[in-house]
Amino acid sequence: GQNIDQPTEMTATEGAIVQINCTYQTSGFNGLFWYQQHAGEAPTFLSYNVLDGLEEKGRFSSFLSRSKGYSYLLLKELQMKDSASYLCAVSAGRYIPTFGRGTSLIVHP
Amino acid sequence: DTEVTQTPKHLVMGMTNKKSLKCEQHMGHRAMYWYKQKAKKPPELMFVYSYEKLSINESVPSRFSPECPNSSLLNLHLHALQPEDSALYLCASSQDPDIEKFFGPGTRLTVL
Repeated sequence: GQNIDQPTEMTATEGAIVQINCTYQTSGFNGLFWYQQHAGEAPTFLSYNVLDGLEEKGRFSSFLSRSKGYSYLLLKELQMKDSASYLCAVSAGRYIPTFGRGTSLIVHP
Repeated sequence: DTEVTQTPKHLVMGMTNKKSLKCEQHMGHRAMYWYKQKAKKPPELMFVYSYEKLSINESVPSRFSPECPNSSLLNLHLHALQPEDSALYLCASSQDPDIEKFFGPGTRLTVL
């Protein structure tokens, strides 16, 4: 089985930088996804990490360390619209990602 | 066309009703999925279809019956549901199982 852990809730200020961590324990790791989900809406894909290192995509970056079972999502220049749930999902074994419980990010002025 | 569509957006049904949820994508994706999501919980995988064949059933009760009529369509037939089945049902598709999934907007199901 897989065990994925991320903080339940985080708060940050508009314009700031926030880092959302995800730790996992699994066998046969294939890759790690980050999704954003606004309340009442479907998840939207943010990033996919297979190899160690940092992947940058605009204001969002995702980091992976396979040896440590650790990833983080970095959000820069936070905007109010970034208030959402951020889901870490790990793909292992049979290639179907399992979602973590998600981190609810609240951005305030 | 780069989206997954789902109908209906909202559905209210009684425990004796039979209804169907529909999902459609025209991106040529060969893998399609049904997820169930309760409030403040992550999506839970229910079924996976790969090349129109059911490849994964996550021990879902038989009152949920998936169907994949062709490579663009995925249905979820519902019969004799329970109130605890009320949730957001998400359809997703991907070119391969291990890459990014495109999610549909979901069907908000309420079972009375």
